[in-house]
Amino acid sequence: DADVTQTPRNRITKTGKRIMLECSQTKGHDRMYWYRQDPGLGLRLIYYSFDVKDINKGEISDGYSVSRQAQAKFSLSLESAIPNQTALYFCATSDSSGGVYEQYFGPGTRLTVT
Amino acid sequence: DAKTTQPNSMESNEEEPVHLPCNHSTISGTDYIHWYRQLPSQGPEYVIHGLTSNVNNRMASLAIAEDRKSSTLILHRATLRDAAVYYCILRDEVYNFNKFYFGSGTKLNVKP
Repeated sequence: DADVTQTPRNRITKTGKRIMLECSQTKGHDRMYWYRQDPGLGLRLIYYSFDVKDINKGEISDGYSVSRQAQAKFSLSLESAIPNQTALYFCATSDSSGGVYEQYFGPGTRLTVT
Repeated sequence: DAKTTQPNSMESNEEEPVHLPCNHSTISGTDYIHWYRQLPSQGPEYVIHGLTSNVNNRMASLAIAEDRKSSTLILHRATLRDAAVYYCILRDEVYNFNKFYFGSGTKLNVKP
C-alpha cells in the first residue's frame, strides 16, 4: 500500500463550488504539505503543517484553507473554486526527527474547475 | 530568495553517465541543495541532498562546487526508467523553511 494517499485522484468541479482534497499518510511523519503544479511549471507550496496544532501559509495560500485533523491526515479546501485553480495538487510528508527533511509525495489530485 | 537555473531538457543514451547541471549563484550559507525527480504521472521523488561536500547514494551522486554556486547531479548509468523531470532546489533548513522552490526543472530523455 502507498505511504501517502490522496483522494480523489481526479475531480471536475464548477466555479463557485466548495471542494476538499484529502491526504492520508502511514509513514508516521509529523510534517505535511500541500503543493500545486501547473503545466510546464514546478511545484509551489500552498500550506504546510509541522504538527497537528501548527499550520503555516506557503507561497500561494490565497483562496485555499487547510485542516490537520490528525497527525496522519491533512486536507486542503477550496472555499469557492475558480478556473485558475485548475492544477495538479500534491500532498507530501516529512519527518522532522531526521535532520534535513526529505519529503515523500503522494500521487497527486488532478483538479479541473470549469 | 535563492533560485536555481537548470537547462530545460537534456538527452542521454541508455547505460551512459548523465551529468545534470544546476546554477545557484545566490545560495546562502544555510541553504541545502536538494534534487528531486518526477516520473510521468507521478509525484516528485527524493533523489539526493547536500550542503558542501559531495554526496553519494544508491540512486545518484551530487557534486557541489567549492564556492557552492553550482552543483551537478550524476546518474552513473542511465536507464529508461530514469527519464523524468529533475528538479534542483535550494532550501534554507534553518530560517526560511517555507521557501522550497521547485522551479521548472530539466526534462531528461533517455534513448535506448
